[in-house]
Amino acid sequence: DQQVKQNSPSLSVQEGRISILNCDYTNSMFDYFLWYKKYPAEGPTFLISISSIKDKNEDGRFTVFLNKSAKHLSLHIVPSQPGDSAVYFCAASHRDDKIIFGKGTRLHILP
Amino acid sequence: EPEVTQTPSHQVTQMGQEVILRCVPISNHLYFYWYRQILGQKVEFLVSFYNNEISEKSEIFDDQFSVERPDGSNFTLKIRSTKLEDSAMYFCASSEAYGEQNTGELFFGEGSRLTVL
Repeated sequence: DQQVKQNSPSLSVQEGRISILNCDYTNSMFDYFLWYKKYPAEGPTFLISISSIKDKNEDGRFTVFLNKSAKHLSLHIVPSQPGDSAVYFCAASHRDDKIIFGKGTRLHILP
Repeated sequence: EPEVTQTPSHQVTQMGQEVILRCVPISNHLYFYWYRQILGQKVEFLVSFYNNEISEKSEIFDDQFSVERPDGSNFTLKIRSTKLEDSAMYFCASSEAYGEQNTGELFFGEGSRLTVL
């Protein structure tokens, strides 16, 4: 039962261009969404989050967009840099419930 | 910057043996978690722990698993009678708050890779 889905296992983007990572969810009760970034041999690190009362949250090069009606969120990275190459996990939670992670999308930034 | 530390980084064990994975959460955090990631699969929630007791656990966290906070700093995951399918990366995490107060920011350790032969 995949409540959080990341349908693209990998994505390659040219350095300097925009990276767009997508995520879909099925549970309409989710009210908080997060993106985590993971380098090899390291634990996931928190990147950016968004509450369900918003549709956009921006932090530097990272912007998360939330479309509640479509149960879809996306992470935009612009401009993409070599250090952005990592696995990105979409995650969601509802109030006191645990955080549910997607399977992750591996982002390759090409020189 | 404070961080969550985990030991060992890699453990190889024979099927049927007991394994203890150790974690030192960030010192002022009150909520502790174990997640695991089987190779090529998603990060899965195992258990959350608060005030010296389990607050939530997943279907994966059956009687084979237990958690403990034996002192003021360590948080351990014990896997009894390991099975081949227990091979995974196990991540410990901690947070300051939970639920409505939670910013959602979990701080993860680097993980302990468990290989069951």
